[in-house]
Amino acid sequence: NAGVTQTPKFQVLKTGQSMTLQCAQDMNHNSMYWYRQDPGMGLRLIYYSASEGTTDKGEVPNGYNVSRLNKREFSLRLESAAPSQTSVYFCASSGSRTGIAFFGQGTRLTVV
Amino acid sequence: QKEVEQDPGPLSVPEGAIVSLNCTYSNSAFQYFMWYRQYSRKGPELLMYTYSSGNKEDGRFTAQVDKSSKYISLFIRDSQPSDSATYLCASNSGAGSYQLTFGKGTKLSVIP
Repeated sequence: NAGVTQTPKFQVLKTGQSMTLQCAQDMNHNSMYWYRQDPGMGLRLIYYSASEGTTDKGEVPNGYNVSRLNKREFSLRLESAAPSQTSVYFCASSGSRTGIAFFGQGTRLTVV
Repeated sequence: QKEVEQDPGPLSVPEGAIVSLNCTYSNSAFQYFMWYRQYSRKGPELLMYTYSSGNKEDGRFTAQVDKSSKYISLFIRDSQPSDSATYLCASNSGAGSYQLTFGKGTKLSVIP
């Protein structure tokens, strides 16, 4: 019962480098999300995918792109990392009309 | 004004105490109310959810929603050191709404 799996768990990037955060869920959920969590700011939605083939911006989409590869996988890409993108990133999925989300364990990203 | 407001604490209580965690919300369309627990360096995990007004009990935990005052509460009876975590409230309107709105979280410490 893996639930939501994120890779990598930790990453250090230099300013200007790019990387892709991977997320996969095995709960057959339709909707997937990417959040970032910063001290004092709480969880903020970056992008979400309501269903396979669709993606939409959340509260803080600038500097990020996403791909819903299939029903299971939803990736987040940083094209040119900036120190302001230092954060903990969480992927989540939900399968019901309630929107109740189940989270992965997070990726701790540091941009130097 | 953020749609879900939550006192960040920190809150420190002795073992065995009754803990009350609270949130207020402003969006009258919210119908689903959740509590997540997040241990340090882990992802949020769903603790309980309720639909509309009323109470829901699960062991030592009781979730309460008062829609007339737009107030969400989580009570923990006989608190244990293992309850030490950050507690996040979240809401959404259901009906196909995909975005959960989170409070910033309250950090709870239960002292043995």
